[in-house]
Amino acid sequence: EAAVTQSPRNKVTVTGGNVTLSCRQTNSHNYMYWYRQDTGHGLRLIHYSYGAGNLQIGDVPDGYKATRTTQEDFFLLLELASPSQTSLYFCASSDWGGSQNTLYFGAGTRLSVL
Amino acid sequence: AQKVTQTQTSISVVEKTTVTMDCVYETRDSSYFLFWYKQTASGEIVFLIRQDSYKKENATVGHYSLNFQKPKSSIGLIITATQIEDSAVYFCAMRGNSNNRIFFGDGTQLVVKP
Repeated sequence: EAAVTQSPRNKVTVTGGNVTLSCRQTNSHNYMYWYRQDTGHGLRLIHYSYGAGNLQIGDVPDGYKATRTTQEDFFLLLELASPSQTSLYFCASSDWGGSQNTLYFGAGTRLSVL
Repeated sequence: AQKVTQTQTSISVVEKTTVTMDCVYETRDSSYFLFWYKQTASGEIVFLIRQDSYKKENATVGHYSLNFQKPKSSIGLIITATQIEDSAVYFCAMRGNSNNRIFFGDGTQLVVKP
């Protein structure tokens, strides 16, 4: 079973604050994704990556940066957090084309921007 | 454009009955993959079942099965003999073969009552 670990699980910050959300997967998956989940919007893609040093823009990238430092680690950065970024954030990974061919999700990080 | 639509916001059923959740999708890709995921009350998102577009046979896993109607761009999820623990939000998702992005519907809330 694929393992995706997110930290922290909960985070509270103030408007204008600097936040980093971390994600680590231990299954050598090539692809990693960051989603946000808000009531009425389902899961929306922020950024994704297909390997260390690679970054692809998703559907709602404004206000977010991301960095994939290694095969295992993918970070989401909010450099000037705003209340509109209060949300539940999920990281996911996959090895598309492999035997599993699906997304594996982390447990989520709940972020509140006051 | 690629899009996934779940029109049912919420469904309520009595346990041990069968429920069908609807999903329609849009894609120009000749080959694609369709998924259903379950989000429990704790927030955890787990993969349930997948249908590959080139397969005519409907996928089945345990008490989950799919009703794949390719001409209608429809992939319904059928849960037979529902249990209280099936209460959750169910997401339909799609990945086309032209990229490695996965698109999600907004989800259907299933409530299973005794």
